[in-house]
Amino acid sequence: DIQMTQSPSTLSASVGDRVTIICRASQIINNWLAWYQQKPGKAPKLLVYKASTLEGGVPSRFSASGSDTEFTLTISSLQPDDLATYYCQQYNGHSTFGEGTKVEIK
Amino acid sequence: QITLTESGPTLVNPTQTLTLTCTFSGFSLSTSGVGVGWIRQPPGKTLEWLAFIYWDDDKRYNPSLKARLTVTKDVSKNQVVLTMTNMDPVDTATYYCAHRVPYDGNWDGGSLDYWGQGTLVTVSS
Repeated sequence: DIQMTQSPSTLSASVGDRVTIICRASQIINNWLAWYQQKPGKAPKLLVYKASTLEGGVPSRFSASGSDTEFTLTISSLQPDDLATYYCQQYNGHSTFGEGTKVEIK
Repeated sequence: QITLTESGPTLVNPTQTLTLTCTFSGFSLSTSGVGVGWIRQPPGKTLEWLAFIYWDDDKRYNPSLKARLTVTKDVSKNQVVLTMTNMDPVDTATYYCAHRVPYDGNWDGGSLDYWGQGTLVTVSS
């Protein structure tokens, strides 16, 4: 199985801050990577697929990049609505998810 | 507009078989490239992919659970059914079905753009 390691596990930031979440794969995944946002008690929401393609309707403050084994999700200006847990998913073969990054608002 | 809804028992006894149904609208599982996935999430933990089924009846399973899983489709009813045998308390989780982004990734995986609300299944005697 391809292991996905996310960091940090928890992130506390102020409204307006720029925040970055990192996801590392245990082997090259050919940019088959997605990012999801999950709010408490809700289903995950797709934010990004193919490493950097923003899903329709996702605010432009979200961006993603990366290649091979290291990928990042950036929120350029954190908003109260961004309070959530964020997961990366690799799908270069059988899918696996990262452990999640909980984003808290200071 | 694509929607998916999971249904099934909320409580299952250990060793029993779980059967969950995903009823969807807004797409057809007879259309080329379309797939539906099952994913679960134990309370407070991360997501785990379980299975995919595709328009051409191709099926892919998580290797660690393959022996216990079966996924089928009924195109006329717009439904996908997941069965998991020999349930154990560690299988307690919220189970989701989701629409796979067409042609994104190889057939063993894929990103998921529309999700059901999930159904919590508790395994306990």
